[in-house]
Amino acid sequence: KAGVTQTPRYLIKTRGQQVTLSCSPISGHRSVSWYQQTPGQGLQFLFEYFSETQRNKGNFPGRFSGRQFSNSRSEMNVSTLELGDSALYLCASSLVGNSPLHFGNGTRLTVT
Amino acid sequence: GQQLNQSPQSMFIQEGEDVSMNCTSSSIFNTWLWYKQDPGEGPVLLIALYKAGELTSNGRLTAQFGITRKDSFLNISASIPSDVGIYFCAGQVDNNDMRFGAGTRLTVKP
Repeated sequence: KAGVTQTPRYLIKTRGQQVTLSCSPISGHRSVSWYQQTPGQGLQFLFEYFSETQRNKGNFPGRFSGRQFSNSRSEMNVSTLELGDSALYLCASSLVGNSPLHFGNGTRLTVT
Repeated sequence: GQQLNQSPQSMFIQEGEDVSMNCTSSSIFNTWLWYKQDPGEGPVLLIALYKAGELTSNGRLTAQFGITRKDSFLNISASIPSDVGIYFCAGQVDNNDMRFGAGTRLTVKP
C-alpha cells in the first residue's frame, strides 16, 4: 500500500508570494492533517480535514488555509508568504477518529 | 492548549546501551504515540498506546501509557547505529488534534 505522498518535496518562494502544497493520503484514509515543523517550534498543528470538511484548526493566521477533495486528497495554501513561514510542512493521514497519523516526507518550503 | 514535556532533549550513547525517554503533560490524553524521524523524512510511527497502564513492545522498543494518562515512556534496548534520529512523543484527545513533544535527538556511537 502506497504511503502518504506530498508534492513538491522542495520549494523556494519570495516574500509576498503564495504557495500551494499537495498531499495524497494512504488509500482508504479519509482524514488528512497538516503540520508545520521548524527547529524552534517543533511540530505545530495547522488543521485537519475529514470528508471535505475542516474539523480542527490550530493557532495559525488566516494566511494558512486548506481544503480536501472528494477523493480525500488535500491541499494547503499559504498566501502573502513571510520569511518565518520557512519550514517543513508535513501532511498526515489516518482512518478516522483516534487512529494513528501516518506522515508523508514533507515539503521543505524556503521563503527568501 | 495541551503541552507535552519531553525529556531528555538529546542523548549521546554507546552502541549496545539501553535508552529511556519520557513525556509528561498536565492534561489527560486518550492515546499516546511514539514516532521516529530521520533526516529529510517524515515521522514514522513506532508504537501506539490506547489504554492507561498499557505496555507495548515492538522489537527492541517498549513503551508504556501512564496510569494517570498524563505520561508515557519509551525504552530502546541494545541500541544500534540505525537507532539514530529524533524521537517524538504525541498525545491525542480526539479528532486527530495531536500534540507533539519537542523531540529527543538520539546519537549512537559505534
